[in-house]
Amino acid sequence: DQQVKQNSPSLSVQEGRISILNCDYTNSMFDYFLWYKKYPAEGPTFLISISSIKDKNEDGRFTVFLNKSAKHLSLHIVPSQPGDSAVYFCAASGDYKLSFGAGTTVTVRA
Amino acid sequence: DAGVIQSPRHEVTEMGQEVTLRCKPISGHNSLFWYRQTMMRGLELLIYFNNNVPIDDSGMPEDRFSAKMPNASFSTLKIQPSEPRDSAVYFCASSFRVREDEKLFFGSGTQLSVL
Repeated sequence: DQQVKQNSPSLSVQEGRISILNCDYTNSMFDYFLWYKKYPAEGPTFLISISSIKDKNEDGRFTVFLNKSAKHLSLHIVPSQPGDSAVYFCAASGDYKLSFGAGTTVTVRA
Repeated sequence: DAGVIQSPRHEVTEMGQEVTLRCKPISGHNSLFWYRQTMMRGLELLIYFNNNVPIDDSGMPEDRFSAKMPNASFSTLKIQPSEPRDSAVYFCASSFRVREDEKLFFGSGTQLSVL
């Protein structure tokens, strides 16, 4: 039973526009949320995170929003760049381990 | 630091054969995780070690899967006998877990193909 869900397997966006990736979770005990980015033939790398006590965290072009009541978080990338083309995994931390979503493949068109 | 090192990068084997995947975590990290990536389920946690001790192996799919961590710098994931449905990318990750927000560092993965 997947506790973290990314319902959009893919997203295509024009260079310079905003990319919005969504993630839903079911376990209200999760207290930390992270986004990882993965290029082909590489392992996932940490991108940005947010604590459950916050509703927004920003790092350069990347902003993560958390809506605890809806058990929903999103990642905004603005402006999108060709190098952002990758698979993005949403993850939630509870106890000692991370639960990951299935990933969203982002393609940034020139 | 060289990061998390996994070997082999690619493994092609025939159904029924034994497969051993290897991982060297980042020096000083006390937690090690094995994940499996599939198209349908994304990244699934298979097993978690803390200070070389298996803490949670509830994600290990069957008795055909086993994992060991004989010391702080080495871990193996073994599949015996292997089956075509085991084909996936297997990732090892490590961290120094003192807080929930400690991020994981992943290796480059082993692409396993069981024919």
